Amino acid sequence: KQEVTQIPAALSVPEGENLVLNCSFTDSAIYNLQWFRQDPGKGLTSLLLIQSSQREQTSGRLNASLDKSSGRSTLYIAASQPGDSATYLCAVKGDGGSQGNLIFGKGTKLSVKP
Amino acid sequence: NAGVTQTPKFQVLKTGQSMTLQCAQDMNHEYMSWYRQDPGMGLRLIHYSVGAGITDQGEVPNGYNVSRSTTEDFPLRLLSAAPSQTSVYFCASSYFGNEQFFGPGTRLTVL
Repeated sequence: KQEVTQIPAALSVPEGENLVLNCSFTDSAIYNLQWFRQDPGKGLTSLLLIQSSQREQTSGRLNASLDKSSGRSTLYIAASQPGDSATYLCAVKGDGGSQGNLIFGKGTKLSVKP
Repeated sequence: NAGVTQTPKFQVLKTGQSMTLQCAQDMNHEYMSWYRQDPGMGLRLIHYSVGAGITDQGEVPNGYNVSRSTTEDFPLRLLSAAPSQTSVYFCASSYFGNEQFFGPGTRLTVL
């Protein structure tokens, strides 16, 4: 059974710092991996999608990498801003069986201090 | 496009009452799903659908029913609400294998 772990559970950094959020998964047979952002009391906003054949994806100050063989993904946030404060969720989609179902980690709660 | 919409935003039920959480998408996505989010448990899949007329169970389906009569709509029914169903419910949709989009959620409290 696929399990997704995100470390750390919470992170506090000063504004301007570059930071890395980690995601690991137990079964390397994934179809893709998606990073989301969730603000308090809100829904999930998709940040980046990495297909299993890709190594990384970039969007603005965000860069996500994928190492399928080792079961790891990282989300790099450059020059962090207070507006980046949110919970970041990692989710993997399996390579067979249940079609498009995502398995989520429990998230990393990021706080960027001004 | 409105994306994925959910109604209501908030709901309070008494134990034993029934209700339907509505979910709609206007992106012509084949795949739709329902998740619940609980503190310390993360997001867990309740039911999903790969197209009109086709539904299947996820990780935590007990106490919930779904149907998919159109591509656009995927309602979630609670037949007899229980306090354990107090949660935030999210609907999502996607083309197969592609980016999943989530609705804003329904916050449900069962007393």
